[in-house]
Amino acid sequence: DTEVTQTPKHLVMGMTNKKSLKCEQHMGHRAMYWYKQKAKKPPELMFVYSYEKLSINESVPSRFSPECPNSSLLNLHLHALQPEDSALYLCASSLQQGNNSPLHFGNGTRLTVT
Amino acid sequence: EDQVTQSPEALRLQEGESSSLNCSYTVSGLRGLFWYRQDPGKGPEFLFTLYSAGEEKEKERLKATLTKKESFLHITAPKPEDSATYLCAVQDTNAGNNRKLIWGLGTSLAVNP
Repeated sequence: DTEVTQTPKHLVMGMTNKKSLKCEQHMGHRAMYWYKQKAKKPPELMFVYSYEKLSINESVPSRFSPECPNSSLLNLHLHALQPEDSALYLCASSLQQGNNSPLHFGNGTRLTVT
Repeated sequence: EDQVTQSPEALRLQEGESSSLNCSYTVSGLRGLFWYRQDPGKGPEFLFTLYSAGEEKEKERLKATLTKKESFLHITAPKPEDSATYLCAVQDTNAGNNRKLIWGLGTSLAVNP
């Protein structure tokens, strides 16, 4: 079991649906991340929150909308996705952003867009 | 341009057959090198951070070493449960890159009983 919890584990959605992915950590980490991972590829950074403020947006399409309600929670709101958005979505946290502290990952949400 | 290259792409070992995985990197300045293990359908699991050439870290059958150009992950007497994809990532000192991680493509390790 990891210390970063992601829900749901699996999600199937149509291209017109709206859904949300959730992530929670209670390690006191102040940086939280969303990554997207395709099969046989490394994780690809999407967003970084540092002290609950959006720090990095890697030019992600607006159909992905992140939210950080507090220091323990991170959401990713999904709307009008495309089939090519199907992937494993990983949440991670670290003590702080960019100071050598390692990332701690959750086990991801396997998203399928039909 | 910052780059991380891992080799081999895939490795198959017999149980007990020791070997090494390689991660070579090109960055303007190394802030840290990270090794992760990833099982199928799971998130990456942190293994080690290395900061400077000459540094070594160990955990059970794994030992990570670092030079100015590459890192090795040595696996001694591997067991089938060591089968996984091993990912290497580096963080550049260049703040203009927002100090984000640069990932290699990973080495897929299979250990046969």
